[in-house]
Amino acid sequence: DSGVTQTPKHLITATGQRVTLRCSPRSGDLSVYWYQQSLDQGLQFLIQYYNGEERAKGNILERFSAQQFPDLHSELNLSSLELGDSALYFCASSAHRQGGNTIYFGEGSWLTVV
Amino acid sequence: DQQVKQNSPSLSVQEGRISILNCDYTNSMFDYFLWYKKYPAEGPTFLISISSIKDKNEDGRFTVFLNKSAKHLSLHIVPSQPGDSAVYFCAASAERGNEKLTFGTGTRLTIIP
Repeated sequence: DSGVTQTPKHLITATGQRVTLRCSPRSGDLSVYWYQQSLDQGLQFLIQYYNGEERAKGNILERFSAQQFPDLHSELNLSSLELGDSALYFCASSAHRQGGNTIYFGEGSWLTVV
Repeated sequence: DQQVKQNSPSLSVQEGRISILNCDYTNSMFDYFLWYKKYPAEGPTFLISISSIKDKNEDGRFTVFLNKSAKHLSLHIVPSQPGDSAVYFCAASAERGNEKLTFGTGTRLTIIP
């Protein structure tokens, strides 16, 4: 158990819909990351938040947005869903200590768009 | 543009032998490298890392080697055990303290009893 909690674990929705994925980081971790893993793909970095502010942005579509709340949990919002958005979405967290980049991943949220 | 490449999608190794997983990168700004292990239905788990100031880092049965001139790193597992069967991801970061990791596509390692 990494200490990172993601909900829901599985989600099936229709094209054009909007979903929200939720992540609770490990206790004390200030950084939260979102990654997308599509079939036969590596993990693609989407976005990082640190203590409530956006810190780094990767290949995140404009239809996607994220935020980190004062209690440090984060949500990833996916809108106008397309079939190609079906993927495993991972949240990860780290303490953002200098000299070490260990990131701890949650178990992921499986999104299926039909 | 795949900046971190794992060219072997799968690898099978006899139990007790050495497993060698390879990773190549193209971005010369990468200076911190990590290996993650992933079991089905679980998130990736950190395994071992190496900074660009080193060429080797060892942790128990796991050793990571870095060849900066060749932009190549490898993970050695000795001896291989059945519990090592998993997907292994190589990841790289352009700046220590910057956790924006770029991952490879993974290598599925199967240890044959």
